[in-house]
Formats: sequence, structure tokens, C-alpha cells
Amino acid sequence: DQQVKQNSPSLSVQEGRISILNCDYTNSMFDYFLWYKKYPAEGPTFLISISSIKDKNEDGRFTVFLNKSAKHLSLHIVPSQPGDSAVYFCAARSGGTSYGKLTFGQGTILTVHP
Amino acid sequence: EAGVAQSPRYKIIEKRQSVAFWCNPISGHATLYWYQQILGQGPKLLIQFQNNGVVDDSQLPKDRFSAERLKGVDSTLKIQPAKLEDSAVYLCASSLQGWVSGANVLTFGAGSRLTVL
Repeated sequence: DQQVKQNSPSLSVQEGRISILNCDYTNSMFDYFLWYKKYPAEGPTFLISISSIKDKNEDGRFTVFLNKSAKHLSLHIVPSQPGDSAVYFCAARSGGTSYGKLTFGQGTILTVHP
Repeated sequence: EAGVAQSPRYKIIEKRQSVAFWCNPISGHATLYWYQQILGQGPKLLIQFQNNGVVDDSQLPKDRFSAERLKGVDSTLKIQPAKLEDSAVYLCASSLQGWVSGANVLTFGAGSRLTVL
């Protein structure tokens, strides 16, 4: 039972254009959503998060949008840079008594071409 | 601040052998996690500690996997005996508190890559 899904295994964009990475979830009890970025041979690093009571959070070139009714979130990167090439994971935090457990999606490989 | 330290970075063993991975979390982080990441998949939680107590081990294959966190600091994950399907990267992560309000930002180590032949 995969509660967090990233249906696009890969995405390729041109430098300077917008990258849009998508994520769907099934559990209505998730209270926070996070995006992590992972380079080869390194651990995932935190990028940006959004509370389930918000619909948008922005941090520099990165914006996350949340559509609760559709159980869908997206990460926008504008403008995209070659250094953004990495695997991006969507993660969802379980609220209540789950001690902040994070459930991850499968990841999307982003390639930004110069 | 120093990050999450893990060792060894790489390990190759034959099936039915045993292996152990070590993790030193960020100082002061009460919550420690072990995730398994199989190639092409997202990280899957194996076990979560709050200080030295286990709060979630529902996805830990307890017939072969064990983990401990002595004195609420370092942690060791052991696999015995290993199977071919255990080939994966084992990621250790830590956070200040698992359930505080706000996003629970985990800081990950670089991982330990296990290959079982």
C-alpha cells in the first residue's frame, strides 16, 4: 500500500525553464509534506516543506503547492539550474501518535540541461 | 554542526552472512531512524527510536534484522542472515523530536550501501 506516489520516474528540462515535480498521496491524516533532494552517493537533504493547512510555501526558487481536495502536491523550481539535477523525493509526515514518521515517494530524477 | 555519521560506506557479503551498520546522529537529536532504500525506490522506514526506546518497528523484518540504540545516542543495525533482497542503501537519519509541531525535518547520513551476493 503506497501512500505517497511520484508517478514520473524522470523529468528533463532546459536551464532557465520551470521544473514541476508532482506527488500524490492517499492518507488524509498526513499533516506536513516535505521535499528532499538527493545527489548520488549522498543522503537526502531537506529542501522545503508545507503544512496541510496551507496551500503554498515559497523559498527562493522553490515553491511547493498543496491541493488537499485532490491529495496532490507539486514542487516548482524557477529558474532551473544544472546544479538542480538530482533525485527529488516527496515525503509526508504522519500526525497524531506516529511520532513524526515520514513516508517517502519513489523519487523523480530531474535532469537540467545547460 | 557535524552531520549524521555512518559506517561502513560500502559492504559486500555473501548470502547467509551477517553485517552490522553503525550510526552516530547529530548531537542533541532525540529521534533516530533507520531507512532502507532499494534501487529505484524511495526510502522505507525500518525502525524509529525516541531516545533509546523503539517507537515504530512495524516494517522491520524481525526474523533477520535487529537494531539497538544504547544510551540514546549511537545506533547499530544488524542483519543476520542476509538475503539477496537485502541489497540496498541503509540510511540513518536523526531529528530533534519526532512529534513537535512543525515539519519534522530529518537530517540523513550518506548511507551504507550493502551488496549481498
